[in-house]
Amino acid sequence: KQEVTQIPAALSVPEGENLVLNCSFTDSAIYNLQWFRQDPGKGLTSLLLIQSSQREQTSGRLNASLDKSSGRSTLYIAASQPGDSATYLCADDHNNNDMRFGAGTRLTVKP
Amino acid sequence: EPEVTQTPSHQVTQMGQEVILRCVPISNHLYFYWYRQILGQKVEFLVSFYNNEISEKSEIFDDQFSVERPDGSNFTLKIRSTKLEDSAMYFCASSVTGSLATNEKLFFGSGTQLSVL
Repeated sequence: KQEVTQIPAALSVPEGENLVLNCSFTDSAIYNLQWFRQDPGKGLTSLLLIQSSQREQTSGRLNASLDKSSGRSTLYIAASQPGDSATYLCADDHNNNDMRFGAGTRLTVKP
Repeated sequence: EPEVTQTPSHQVTQMGQEVILRCVPISNHLYFYWYRQILGQKVEFLVSFYNNEISEKSEIFDDQFSVERPDGSNFTLKIRSTKLEDSAMYFCASSVTGSLATNEKLFFGSGTQLSVL
């Protein structure tokens, strides 16, 4: 069964630290991979989308990479802030926006 | 910034009752979606909708579910006879074209928490 896995499930870091969230997927024939942020009681906010032909995307302090051959993506957050505390989800798009989500990494950034 | 809006934010219903969850996608978007997230589980795809018909649907989206775009702004998910296991957060999403060829993000609403008693 094709699936998306995220590790760690939870991460707590002090403010200012750089961190990496990991996502692995079993279906190499994906069209793109997206990273989302989910705040409690809120919807999902798309942070970065990487097309299958791309290697990475950057937005501000966020950088996402994609390695299709190994089935891995990482989300790098630089100089973390307490406002970055949220659950981060990755999802692969294998069939025209029929997306498969990972279970998420719950990030806490301590002041 | 334009956003996807969902109503109600919380819905409580009795098992066997029909519920309609409502969504207003972003106005210039053409593709619409429903996803759900059972408490403690992953977000799951239900259905995508384009040009007034279902584009894709998952195995979760059985005959108890239906979607409709009743007018130019609303997109609804109907559950005909709710079951306990339908309790979940239901997210509506939309995108401009749904095209695989474009660098296109999905925009999600804040969700409707459905509780079936």
